[in-house]
Amino acid sequence: GQQVMQIPQYQHVQEGEDFTTYCNSSTTLSNIQWYKQRPGGHPVFLIQLVKSGEVKKQKRLTFQFGEAKKNSSLHITATQTTDVGTYFCAGRAAGNKLTFGGGTRVLVKP
Amino acid sequence: NAGVTQTPKFRVLKTGQSMTLLCAQDMNHEYMYWYRQDPGMGLRLIHYSVGEGTTAKGEVPDGYNVSRLKKQNFLLGLESAAPSQTSVYFCASSYQGQQPQHFGDGTRLSIL
Repeated sequence: GQQVMQIPQYQHVQEGEDFTTYCNSSTTLSNIQWYKQRPGGHPVFLIQLVKSGEVKKQKRLTFQFGEAKKNSSLHITATQTTDVGTYFCAGRAAGNKLTFGGGTRVLVKP
Repeated sequence: NAGVTQTPKFRVLKTGQSMTLLCAQDMNHEYMYWYRQDPGMGLRLIHYSVGEGTTAKGEVPDGYNVSRLKKQNFLLGLESAAPSQTSVYFCASSYQGQQPQHFGDGTRLSIL
């Protein structure tokens, strides 16, 4: 079945630094979604990417969908303590259900 | 506008007991989902529904049953709870299958 892998599983970041988390699918995706879950909270939708090579920005967050539509990345610049949480990608193959990756847990050092 | 509401928020069960988790949404969404979240494993789909009166199996359906008698409600049942079902359960809904999912606050379930 479809598998979605995220790396790294944990990301320790110094406040003010940049980092990137990666999402890789075993199958070609029709679209990919990203969610953020704060500690003790529930997943909250961030963005959806549909087109090959698509790049979308939300303030300090940049999301990219790979050319082959099998991978995606989330890049955060100038990390802040408000960025703490777990970031999940969720990929959908054509006609299939959404499959979540294991998430990248982000810890920020002040 | 409450969004997605889950009850209860916490529950402790003994092995073999049964219980029902309730999910209610007030956004008139067609699709509803039940996930479980275990450490390091992300969210795994248990069952889902594409409309009132319909249900379908997800990735990890064994040991669970669901019902969607009303569009706004999606119930998850554990007939005979097992320690392996200790988890955080999230309900979600979406307007259509391709749309973003809106999650409830979760139910923390411990089975002793």
